[in-house]
Amino acid sequence: NAGVMQNPRHLVRRRGQEARLRCSPMKGHSHVYWYRQLPEEGLKFMVYLQKENIIDESGMPKERFSAEFPKEGPSILRIQQVVRGDSAAYFCASSPPRQLRSGELFFGEGSRLTVL
Amino acid sequence: DAKTTQPPSMDCAEGRAANLPCNHSTISGNEYVYWYRQIHSQGPQYIIHGLKNNETNEMASLIITEDRKSSTLILPHATLRDTAVYYCIVISRDNYGQNFVFGPGTRLSVLP
Repeated sequence: NAGVMQNPRHLVRRRGQEARLRCSPMKGHSHVYWYRQLPEEGLKFMVYLQKENIIDESGMPKERFSAEFPKEGPSILRIQQVVRGDSAAYFCASSPPRQLRSGELFFGEGSRLTVL
Repeated sequence: DAKTTQPPSMDCAEGRAANLPCNHSTISGNEYVYWYRQIHSQGPQYIIHGLKNNETNEMASLIITEDRKSSTLILPHATLRDTAVYYCIVISRDNYGQNFVFGPGTRLSVLP
């Protein structure tokens, strides 16, 4: 049973380019969370999605950042016009449907974005 | 904001028990205590969770005080590979629609 898969593991972009990070949740999981971790800092919640719905995006910057979790395919975190301050590790986590929950999140290994 | 308070760092000798405290004095009746850890540069890893009874699994034990205002994660025989940041999180039993809020955690260093 594959875990949460994130790709790319490492991404380098120049200022002004777009970054797309993908997350495939564990099989049977219908909820996805995105977290950002700046160098030497803690995990900061960004967004929580269910299939085709955004449940909570209170941690998302108001501009340039968007997330989706379509009916088919992985969840995507999109960062437009990247700036150096976007350089961070972006972690995705998934959890099963509500009725099957024991509560824990399962994390991927992260995507590390470097903006030159 | 995180509902928990943890010491920023701790040391533990290899082979000894590591006892990591967490204060959650405002915990409510339907909230669980979860523990995760993050080994350098890796994704966070679930360790254990509990409501009011003590819990044990292959990784650790969780001791929750009777008033539920604090808890202790115990790694019975710490190894160098247990060096990590440990996060204590309080979240409701339902947790639907809620996000897990990670505070700064405790940086545990296991020393040879």
